[in-house]
Amino acid sequence: QVQLQESGPGLVKPSETLSLTCAVSGYSISSGYYWGWIRQPPEKGLEWIGSIYHSGTTYYNPSLKSRVTISVDTSKNQFSLKLSSVTAADTAVYYCARRPQTSSSWDYWGQGTLVTVSS
Amino acid sequence: QSVLTQPPSVSAAPGQKVTISCSGSSSNIGNNYVSWYQQLPGTAPKLLIYENNKRPSGIPDRFSGSKSGTSATLGISGLQTGDEADYYCGTWDSSLSAVVFGGGTKLTVL
Repeated sequence: QVQLQESGPGLVKPSETLSLTCAVSGYSISSGYYWGWIRQPPEKGLEWIGSIYHSGTTYYNPSLKSRVTISVDTSKNQFSLKLSSVTAADTAVYYCARRPQTSSSWDYWGQGTLVTVSS
Repeated sequence: QSVLTQPPSVSAAPGQKVTISCSGSSSNIGNNYVSWYQQLPGTAPKLLIYENNKRPSGIPDRFSGSKSGTSATLGISGLQTGDEADYYCGTWDSSLSAVVFGGGTKLTVL
């Protein structure tokens, strides 16, 4: 059974960098698929942040591209998100998820982690 | 403002059928597959429909999807109180080069 688990600080100060990691179990990242980050501000809808292929090729939401870095560590079977210069608008539940290579759907999701941006 | 437009809310009685619409354009729904997600309160989204009308293993056939032109529809028949959730459509937008989602629809089973 494929499982994804987000981890990282739940509180980040304004202007600092948000860093999260998604640990994958039950499937080897090196075997394929796209791995991505999606966030959901409180009481709002879903917003795609970006995706990475196991080879390291990345795709970012144009609206966040200047602040986002997604990387993959196949030796640890995990991938990570860094979002710089955060503001209160970046407060959200952050989900990591898996997308089949030939599909635009996200078939496995982590439980999500709430990140609050506040001083 | 979401790229894909969904009604904010829909409601129906137990046992009835409800449909949720998702409207887009030629750069997204019109030329790409649509997927649907169910988000129960306090939980992560769950894939219900992929590639317009396919159900992942374990999803009951009460859930169905269709697409016509630049719009997609999720159907839920035999409504149960456990179906109360937020539902989101999603697809790829070729103009934006981005994954896009609808704003979500809250389903109430009266």
